[in-house]
Amino acid sequence: QKEVEQDPGPLSVPEGAIVSLNCTYSNSAFQYFMWYRQYSRKGPELLMYTYSSGNKEDGRFTAQVDKSSKYISLFIRDSQPSDSATYLCAMSPNTGFQKLVFGTGTRLLVSP
Amino acid sequence: DTEVTQTPKHLVMGMTNKKSLKCEQHMGHRAMYWYKQKAKKPPELMFVYSYEKLSINESVPSRFSPECPNSSLLNLHLHALQPEDSALYLCASSPIPGQGDQPQHFGDGTRLSIL
Repeated sequence: QKEVEQDPGPLSVPEGAIVSLNCTYSNSAFQYFMWYRQYSRKGPELLMYTYSSGNKEDGRFTAQVDKSSKYISLFIRDSQPSDSATYLCAMSPNTGFQKLVFGTGTRLLVSP
Repeated sequence: DTEVTQTPKHLVMGMTNKKSLKCEQHMGHRAMYWYKQKAKKPPELMFVYSYEKLSINESVPSRFSPECPNSSLLNLHLHALQPEDSALYLCASSPIPGQGDQPQHFGDGTRLSIL
């Protein structure tokens, strides 16, 4: 079993839809949770990061962490074609973030 | 534009060539990383430098040789690579624990092709 599981997709939605991206994990030591967005031929771009359980909102993006269920989510409201990319979840047990454990990434396609 | 700059963007080399990848950051981060990413896969950690010293080597073959000449620069020297080494090589940086609570920031990578 992988430490972090993420559906590879692709996930296809129409413009304006609410998108839900999810990861599950098995290591209860993970404390820091990140979402990266990666466009084709580009490096991962940090979108959100959260510590422990709870919600965090930034514009159209909301990150949720449920440590009791070992489940994290990224919600995108009013999705745009420019949101089409691969979304990688990543997590780490400590503040150093030195060894991130990544999910496989979910490819999102938002059609106009 | 990313705050971590990698050069070159693309590199094609033969199996007998020697080349270097370069990475630069000016965020004051004292941890720097090299990752390898194959198509449709997540990044795989190769090396971690903390305060310009190698702190993690993920059992990477010796044909990859990292170097951290100062706190802003990170190099990856390549020699006698194999076709399976063709990939996107990503550099990242982050604060050291206790110096800030930020995750790693990535550059846009060098796309390496081995002929």
